[in-house]
Amino acid sequence: QKEVEQNSGPLSVPEGAIASLNCTYSDRGSQSFFWYRQYSGKSPELIMFIYSNGDKEDGRFTAQLNKASQYVSLLIRDSQPSDSATYLCAGTTSGTYKYIFGTGTRLKVLA
Amino acid sequence: GAVVSQHPSWVICKSGTSVKIECRSLDFQATTMFWYRQFPKQSLMLMATSNEGSKATYEQGVEKDKFLINHASLTLSTLTVTSAHPEDSSFYICSAGGQTNTEAFFGQGTRLTVV
Repeated sequence: QKEVEQNSGPLSVPEGAIASLNCTYSDRGSQSFFWYRQYSGKSPELIMFIYSNGDKEDGRFTAQLNKASQYVSLLIRDSQPSDSATYLCAGTTSGTYKYIFGTGTRLKVLA
Repeated sequence: GAVVSQHPSWVICKSGTSVKIECRSLDFQATTMFWYRQFPKQSLMLMATSNEGSKATYEQGVEKDKFLINHASLTLSTLTVTSAHPEDSSFYICSAGGQTNTEAFFGQGTRLTVV
């Protein structure tokens, strides 16, 4: 069974701090990884994706991928209360749009 | 990014009736669409892969006769929940492949409540 695992949280951080969200995956064939943000009752919205080892930065967000350790993370700098949501990690195998989602980590940014 | 439209956003139906949910790719053609189900405080669980012009591929444990999928065109896939029961109440979300890398785009989701 291919799995993507996340700590369900909640992860609480003060406003302005760095939030660090982690994800591990079991399928070594996974090629691409995605971080989605989901507000309660809403559909997931893409934050960023990564498919190469190392870091990828986009504004306040940095995704990190370590294929040897089968580990993906998302850092959110200068966290804002509006960042409070559930963050879903997903992995795919090459050439497909079939996503395997983790259970999500609930983030709370405290004002 | 590309737009995927899902309709309806929410629906309430009586137990035993059937409900159809539509998923449309508005500005691109999608040979493959995916249907997910999400129960409260749980992650998205893939139900099936919808392939244009052929039968859908269902994940283990998903009843194909209960969740009918039709993907008759490159821009439309439908999910019909047949003989719905209260335990089918959930958030159903579709996704379709984008045009860059393997990024997929999600519909707005449909909240189904069976009473």
